[in-house]
Amino acid sequence: RKEVEQDPGPFNVPEGATVAFNCTYSNSASQSFFWYRQDCRKEPKLLMSVYSSGNEDGRFTAQLNRASQYISLLIRDSKLSDSATYLCVVRPSYNTDKLIFGTGTRLQVFP
Amino acid sequence: DAGVIQSPRHEVTEMGQEVTLRCKPISGHNSLFWYRQTMMRGLELLIYFNNNVPIDDSGMPEDRFSAKMPNASFSTLKIQPSEPRDSAVYFCASSLGADEQYFGPGTRLTVT
Repeated sequence: RKEVEQDPGPFNVPEGATVAFNCTYSNSASQSFFWYRQDCRKEPKLLMSVYSSGNEDGRFTAQLNRASQYISLLIRDSKLSDSATYLCVVRPSYNTDKLIFGTGTRLQVFP
Repeated sequence: DAGVIQSPRHEVTEMGQEVTLRCKPISGHNSLFWYRQTMMRGLELLIYFNNNVPIDDSGMPEDRFSAKMPNASFSTLKIQPSEPRDSAVYFCASSLGADEQYFGPGTRLTVT
C-alpha cells in the first residue's frame, strides 16, 4: 500500500465550480500535512499547510481527519488559473525533515 | 532573492555514460533534498542532507546513484553508469529545517 494515496483524476470542471480532492495516508504517526501545487512542467510549490482544526486561505479550504487518516482540499469558485496537479504531502514523524508526496490529482478548469 | 538553482536544465546522454546533476540551495537553508519524478511513480525522495550530512538515503535506487554535499551551497547527484530507466525529472529542494521546501526548476534527464 502506498504511504499517500490520491485519485489521479483528471477532474474537469467549469469555471466557478466547487471541486474537492481527497487523500489518505497509511502512517498513523504522521505529524504534518500539506498541499502542494505543481503546474505542467514546473516544480512543486507549497499551496497550504493542513491543520487539525481545518484552515482556509481565500477560495481554498483544507481539512484533516486523523481518525480516518484522511486529508481534503476544497476549491471554491474555480478559476482557469487553478488548472494544475495538486499533491498531497505528509511528514511521517517529528524527527525528520522528510516529506512523502502523493502522486497528485490533476485538475483542469475549462471556460 | 535567487531560488534553488539546478544545472543542467536538460541532459540527454547515452546508456553507460556518467551523469552529474548540480544544485545550489537557497542561502541559509540547512536541509537539502534530491527527488526524482516520473509519471508512473510520482515524486520520490532519493536522499536528504541536514547541515551537509546525509540523513536518509533509503530512496537511492542502487549503487549507481551517489550524492554529495561538500559545503552548504552546493550538492551533486551522480549516476554512473546511467540506464534508460533513469530517465526522469530530478528536483533539488531546500528548506530551513522542517519548514516549507523550496524546489528548483528540475533537470530533465533522458538516457537513450
